[in-house]
Amino acid sequence: DTEVTQTPKHLVMGMTNKKSLKCEQHMGHRAMYWYKQKAKKPPELMFVYSYEKLSINESVPSRFSPECPNSSLLNLHLHALQPEDSALYLCASSPDRSGLIYNEQFFGPGTRLTVL
Amino acid sequence: AQSVAQPEDQVNVAEGNPLTVKCTYSVSGNPYLFWYVQYPNRGLQFLLKYITGDNLVKGSYGFEAEFNKSQTSFHLKKPSALVSGSALYFCAVRDTSGGGADGLTFGKGTHLIIQP
Repeated sequence: DTEVTQTPKHLVMGMTNKKSLKCEQHMGHRAMYWYKQKAKKPPELMFVYSYEKLSINESVPSRFSPECPNSSLLNLHLHALQPEDSALYLCASSPDRSGLIYNEQFFGPGTRLTVL
Repeated sequence: AQSVAQPEDQVNVAEGNPLTVKCTYSVSGNPYLFWYVQYPNRGLQFLLKYITGDNLVKGSYGFEAEFNKSQTSFHLKKPSALVSGSALYFCAVRDTSGGGADGLTFGKGTHLIIQP
């Protein structure tokens, strides 16, 4: 299996809802990432997990809560979002923490989130 | 801090003609440079990377890129454009000087439109 999968593909939620985005990879990668991409803009890094531990949080609001239950799975829990949080949320993985800077990241197809 | 500039919002090329998508970078240490392509409503696909060694890097789908340290550039090239290559292209950089995020820093993206 050489891909990163993300569910759901589309999500519409109200500002009071709680929802979760899921990302999965079975390539044995030990670094996983969440990016946010607004329309016609480049992806912006949100979180980095390395060996299931949160290593980077790019000052993301607490209404976004990441979780890495095991080496293959990455979740993003959403609560009390704002309409401006509507975007494409991309998950990525990379082979190994020690060789992180050399390795390309493999991206999933993304979850298109709309907050009403 | 690291940054990437893609000076062209859009590049138009006739099918069969050579194409160039420009990218310049700014880093404190040695640059690790990447090109990704994004088709509508899809995640990013890795094309090629420069780590060290030969300045001309070959990648997927017939793309290549030339690293020029003196001009701090990493332009993407293809000898003969195909209509199927119309998409959004991102240049990205990772700095080796440390202290920054392990995620990638992306340029704003260039729309490549290949006309039949």
